[in-house]
Amino acid sequence: DAGVIQSPRHEVTEMGQEVTLRCKPISGHDYLFWYRQTMMRGLELLIYFNNNVPIDDSGMPEDRFSAKMPNASFSTLKIQPSEPRDSAVYFCASSRLGANYGYTFGSGTRLTVV
Amino acid sequence: QQQVKQSPQSLIVQKGGIPIINCAYENTAFDYFPWYQQFPGKGPALLIAIRPDVSEKKEGRFTISFNKSAKQFSLHIMDSQPGDSATYFCAAGERRQLTFGSGTQLTVLP
Repeated sequence: DAGVIQSPRHEVTEMGQEVTLRCKPISGHDYLFWYRQTMMRGLELLIYFNNNVPIDDSGMPEDRFSAKMPNASFSTLKIQPSEPRDSAVYFCASSRLGANYGYTFGSGTRLTVV
Repeated sequence: QQQVKQSPQSLIVQKGGIPIINCAYENTAFDYFPWYQQFPGKGPALLIAIRPDVSEKKEGRFTISFNKSAKQFSLHIMDSQPGDSATYFCAAGERRQLTFGSGTQLTVLP
């Protein structure tokens, strides 16, 4: 298995532009999570899906952030308009049903908004 | 609200030493306690995990000690190696949602 695949690995954009981050979870995993990592705030859960349905989006910072999961093998996190304070590493992770629900993380997308 | 408190923030040991990283939690509904290892430029990777009905779990050189009454758990790395230098995160899970500690940057000197 190729693991959780995220793209792009790096994204540099200007303030005000739309940014779309992409994630392909591990086949057979029915949970998908989006995290943001910064030095100041550590790993923050933004939103998670179960069977493609958003379950908890209380971590999404504001209306500029949106996430979708149109099918079991693809999810996007969109920021529109982007701001410099959105600069962070964004991770996607997936997990399967079971007692030991350790997540498998992707390699992340490093976003820089200038 | 920080639900999982991790310490120390950084740790330096000599090769062969036994670094210990500690975490504490308040929410008694947590039912799963994993540890993750993260190398620069990579995503966190699951290292070892424990459930609250077990007091200790060992996998290779990594051991989790769990104290349910104190609501604390810790990671011990036996015979540490320079290749273990990384950031370590504890986490606590409830209803499939993990809350992460703030991380410990471990450096193992050769």
